[in-house]
Amino acid sequence: GAVVSQHPSWVICKSGTSVKIECRSLDFQATTMFWYRQFPKQSLMLMATSNEGSKATYEQGVEKDKFLINHASLTLSTLTVTSAHPEDSSFYICSAAGRTLNTEAFFGQGTRLTVV
Amino acid sequence: DQQVKQNSPSLSVQEGRISILNCDYTNSMFDYFLWYKKYPAEGPTFLISISSIKDKNEDGRFTVFLNKSAKHLSLHIVPSQPGDSAVYFCAAWNQGGKLIFGQGTELSVKP
Repeated sequence: GAVVSQHPSWVICKSGTSVKIECRSLDFQATTMFWYRQFPKQSLMLMATSNEGSKATYEQGVEKDKFLINHASLTLSTLTVTSAHPEDSSFYICSAAGRTLNTEAFFGQGTRLTVV
Repeated sequence: DQQVKQNSPSLSVQEGRISILNCDYTNSMFDYFLWYKKYPAEGPTFLISISSIKDKNEDGRFTVFLNKSAKHLSLHIVPSQPGDSAVYFCAAWNQGGKLIFGQGTELSVKP
């Protein structure tokens, strides 16, 4: 399957600082990227959908000013957690899909964010 | 509003036997379904998918069955192996182009 690389795999930051997570599709053009958040023992919660060159669409309850998403190219999307707080500590996962809607979506390795 | 549901949070199976993971959905407009396998602290790995024009898709030890009238799909793993132990997620593409996940079922395959 296609390769999606997410970086970093884990990060610890202080409260009030910002953290950027990168998601790259290495061998295909990802017209759409998705950002998910997973709490322990729970499902993947979709945070936002980003299409290359346009603004991200956020799910209800997700603060767009806190979780900044940029999808500047067909191979790169970034999620920036701004002014992080301990409650933002979670596992963040990106996913990339190509032009065809009914197809597989491929996931990055995930990023464990811990805010202290 | 949980559109994709996996009602069994966990399943334990003996090595060599069949594992059956179930998934129900509420939206009859869903027409493409996927199963993912996930280990802790890793991203999901795609396993197998099925289009609504089919009722079965097989890939090695993995078979997915789709019953559109019941809005139900299942993943069969046979024979089950200890390395299959993981959390399995059922997912469906909605009309808005979003991949919606079920809650997951944790499979444990015992030697």
